[in-house]
Amino acid sequence: AQSVTQLDSHVSVSEGTPVLLRCNYSSSYSPSLFWYVQHPNKGLQLLLKYTSAATLVKGINGFEAEFKKSETSFHLTKPSAHMSDAAEYFCVVSDPNTGFQKLVFGTGTRLLVSP
Amino acid sequence: EPEVTQTPSHQVTQMGQEVILRCVPISNHLYFYWYRQILGQKVEFLVSFYNNEISEKSEIFDDQFSVERPDGSNFTLKIRSTKLEDSAMYFCASSETTGSGTEAFFGQGTRLTVV
Repeated sequence: AQSVTQLDSHVSVSEGTPVLLRCNYSSSYSPSLFWYVQHPNKGLQLLLKYTSAATLVKGINGFEAEFKKSETSFHLTKPSAHMSDAAEYFCVVSDPNTGFQKLVFGTGTRLLVSP
Repeated sequence: EPEVTQTPSHQVTQMGQEVILRCVPISNHLYFYWYRQILGQKVEFLVSFYNNEISEKSEIFDDQFSVERPDGSNFTLKIRSTKLEDSAMYFCASSETTGSGTEAFFGQGTRLTVV
């Protein structure tokens, strides 16, 4: 079965400093991995996805993530945090067994950005 | 930009009552999903729907739940007799295709409170 572990429930950074949100996955197959973001009172928005092409994936708003098979990780990074980045971030793996889209979510990491 | 819309944004209902949560998926999408997030817990898959029938459902999706696409635009989730533990945020999603790596577009969610 697929699963993801988000190692931090909360991450606090200062505006302008780097962001690192950690995610490790467990998968018996070549996984598809995603990062979604949820701002207050908004839906889940896709930041980026990995689907076995380039291991370094660039997403929206300056975020990127690197797929490392040897470490079973898919950490999300951004060089410089902005106040508007404060939100909940979810690492997600797609279950290939079903043939239909069934996403398995991590528990989420709340990013706090201080001035 | 096309988006998935959900109504209502917040619903309060008495235990034992029936509720219908409504969703309008993106117009050219063919695959539809419901997920839920109990407060403080993971986002969980409930059901996927394609070609007017359920494709897959989780163990959470018991006989109290049903889904329907009553017309060409709406996709509904019905809970027949609500329980306190049904209180959660319910997310509708849709996708154009299926399979690993497909991007699912999520609505902003309906917060269901059962009292």
